Amino acid sequence: DAKTTQPTSMDCAEGRAANLPCNHSTISGNEYVYWYRQIHSQGPQYIIHGLKNNETNEMASLIITEDRKSSTLILPHATLRDTAVYYCIVRDNFNKFYFGSGTKLNVKP
Amino acid sequence: GAVVSQHPSRVICKSGTSVKIECRSLDFQATTMFWYRQFPKQSLMLMATSNEGSKATYEQGVEKDKFLINHASLTLSTLTVTSAHPEDSSFYICSATDRQYSYEQYFGPGTRLTVT
Repeated sequence: DAKTTQPTSMDCAEGRAANLPCNHSTISGNEYVYWYRQIHSQGPQYIIHGLKNNETNEMASLIITEDRKSSTLILPHATLRDTAVYYCIVRDNFNKFYFGSGTKLNVKP
Repeated sequence: GAVVSQHPSRVICKSGTSVKIECRSLDFQATTMFWYRQFPKQSLMLMATSNEGSKATYEQGVEKDKFLINHASLTLSTLTVTSAHPEDSSFYICSATDRQYSYEQYFGPGTRLTVT
């Protein structure tokens, strides 16, 4: 079962930062947090992952709280092409992903 | 980056027939492959985990005799939907993990199955 909860949907203005929250209060000490996104009728695309430290790559930043019970994905300058469903996933000890319901991000002009 | 392909991308079959879906890792060796199913407007549901050369392990509620999984090599896994019924119509997606960097799952583009 999914260990994460996310808001169903969010809106963001084009060019602004999109901050997508995720709760994973039952996460274990060695479980990683992953973020993927899915554009309609395509396979999920990897964005970023982390364990306890904040992470940044060319796509996004991941902020993980000190107690690791929640995290936030930040898209610094959202574009219309970032409109997608964003999934926050906790990878279990068997490397399995259990997807939650995700957040539908609508980037508006 | 790592690429995973699926074939076919779309398939329509008649009720009672079987259909095979292939998942290939194109530029890396996949220790493990996963199969997911996604119904319209829903999230991905993990069906099974497949390790090269061994039997797949199925998630609770997934019929192993209906969804046959074979992982014969480090680059190929197949999912066969046997005796398909209209309720099996769905989007089937595979993913693979790299043998050296097993933390990330690389997803295929998905296969749309329609059973008439």
